[in-house]
Amino acid sequence: DGGITQSPKYLFRKEGQNVTLSCEQNLNHDAMYWYRQDPGQGLRLIYYSQIVNDFQKGDIAEGYSVSREKKESFPLTVTSAQKNPTAFYLCASATGGYEQYFGPGTRLTVT
Amino acid sequence: KQEVTQIPAALSVPEGENLVLNCSFTDSAIYNLQWFRQDPGKGLTSLLLIQSSQREQTSGRLNASLDKSSGRSTLYIAASQPGDSATYLCAVIETGANNLFFGTGTRLTVIP
Repeated sequence: DGGITQSPKYLFRKEGQNVTLSCEQNLNHDAMYWYRQDPGQGLRLIYYSQIVNDFQKGDIAEGYSVSREKKESFPLTVTSAQKNPTAFYLCASATGGYEQYFGPGTRLTVT
Repeated sequence: KQEVTQIPAALSVPEGENLVLNCSFTDSAIYNLQWFRQDPGKGLTSLLLIQSSQREQTSGRLNASLDKSSGRSTLYIAASQPGDSATYLCAVIETGANNLFFGTGTRLTVIP
């Protein structure tokens, strides 16, 4: 049963704490992406990775960090430097033709 | 920078009606265009992918067209059903680029 999993579904953190969101795929895709979705706005790209051990900043990378040690995994860390971290976070992977497949998302609330 | 616009932002139709959702983009140098569906609080589900060399793609009651020269795509939904109620997003990926540019979506409500 192939797909993309994100965990947890809901995450609550206190301001000033770092938090790591999990993203795993078993689709054998090389490329993986992290997006942020806010109400009334389109998805915005945070980071992407085209291959293991390599990743690039997207449009809104400040306050976030990623790693890509395995093809299947692309975790996102939201650091205390991110000024407005409360949002819905979506992970995706893509085929060679750039068709993107999305996970179910993680809703992060920071208070 | 590529900008993707979807109009209208919201649409309500009675069940059984055929409908068209619109997507426009500013830079025609695209690699492909993808239509997604998003249910509230959920991730995105891919509906159709149109390569830049293609004019349309069909899947069941859905038909998506692409006119690169005019920077437009449409998603046609035939015989709408209440289960079609969701937000529909279009996204383009530019030739040589590595990410999608998303529109803000059209929220569709199909009234039984």
